[in-house]
Order: sequence, then C-alpha cells, then structure tokens
Amino acid sequence: DTGVSQDPRHKITKRGQNVTFRCDPISEHNRLYWYRQTLGQGPEFLTYFQNEAQLEKSRLLSDRFSAERPKGSFSTLEIQRTEQGDSAMYLCASSSDRNLHEQYFGPGTRLTVT
Amino acid sequence: AQSVAQPEDQVNVAEGNPLTVKCTYSVSGNPYLFWYVQYPNRGLQFLLKYITGDNLVKGSYGFEAEFNKSQTSFHLKKPSALVSDSALYFCAVRDFANDYKLSFGAGTTVTVRA
Repeated sequence: DTGVSQDPRHKITKRGQNVTFRCDPISEHNRLYWYRQTLGQGPEFLTYFQNEAQLEKSRLLSDRFSAERPKGSFSTLEIQRTEQGDSAMYLCASSSDRNLHEQYFGPGTRLTVT
Repeated sequence: AQSVAQPEDQVNVAEGNPLTVKCTYSVSGNPYLFWYVQYPNRGLQFLLKYITGDNLVKGSYGFEAEFNKSQTSFHLKKPSALVSDSALYFCAVRDFANDYKLSFGAGTTVTVRA
C-alpha cells in the first residue's frame, strides 16, 4: 500500500495561466475525492468520482475547474485562467466501497497564484 | 445541512497530561462522525469514527472519542499526551443524503510541551 500520491506538491503560477494537478489513489479504491483547504480552514469538498463517473461537483467549483478520472484510476484537476483566490492546498482522497467512511488523503498540492 | 464546530483554535497541554479536543455537531438524522489528524507536510490521517454502537470509540495512536447525543458532542481524548501528538486535528461529519461527502470543522491546533 503506497498510499495516495499527488503531483506536483507545489505549484506557483501567474494569474491567468492554466494548471493541472494529478492524483493517484490507492489502487483498489474505486472512490476518489477532491477537496480544497485554505489557511485556517478545514478541507472543503469539491468533487467526487465513483470509478470513472463524476457524481457530484460542488458549487464551490466554477466553470474554470474541471476534473477527470479516465478509466477509474488516476484523476486530474485542471484550473483554467487561474485567479489569486484559487491559491490553496488541493487535497485528493480515496476510499473503497467496503470501507467508504475511511478516506485516505494524499499530501496535497499547494497552489500559489501570483 | 450537516456541520461540525470546533470551539477551540488551539489546545496546549503538558506531556503526560490528558488531552481533550472538542467538537460539536449539527445533523439531521443519525450522525456519522470522524476525527482526522494533519501533521506538517503530510496528508490528513484517519483517527476514528462513530457510526453506531458504543458511545466510546477507540482509534489509532491511543486516541478515543466520546459520542454524547444529548450534548451533540464528539470530543477527542487521549489519557496521556505525547509531544508527537502535536498536530492539527479536524472533526468531520458525513452528509446525511450523500455518503461520500464529509464536512470538516476549522481544526484545532494541539501543542504538547515537553
């Protein structure tokens, strides 16, 4: 069990640029989640995949955000035309149907938009 | 909507003393409650959960939590704190209608001094 991995760990970008983050869940986990965490706050739910299907997208996600999980394995989160307000830690988590209440989190990708 | 509140931003205790981190919840229906811990530069780690059953739930690293329905609380406890317990602790509640969605509190920073 190698755990949930995320890449990159840090990303600095200029406002208006596009960025893409990758998440590799625990291999046998079919459920995958994206959260956003800002300083002094707990993680906020962004979106959820069951296998390759995106089943919910939070109202927090504007149209500039898109997530995919092709083939039900890794997932990508893309932010287009980044804004300074997008600066945050983006967390990925996964879980299995057998133990869906225990979500395993990756280390996160810290995005800084200058 | 389900929510949790962590009334204390910071908790400071001496090593060897009991540690309590407070959490209150607001839910419709039966609560599914969780505690996670976040160490610096690492992802959130699951500590324990309350789904049903005994009000005292035991988890990882010697932590336990007491579910109190009348007080709508789910406080995290450890009888004897260690310096290595210094971290950021989050209480979370599962959404009633959507079993994949967790709502987190703002977090409590625990500092255990030697």
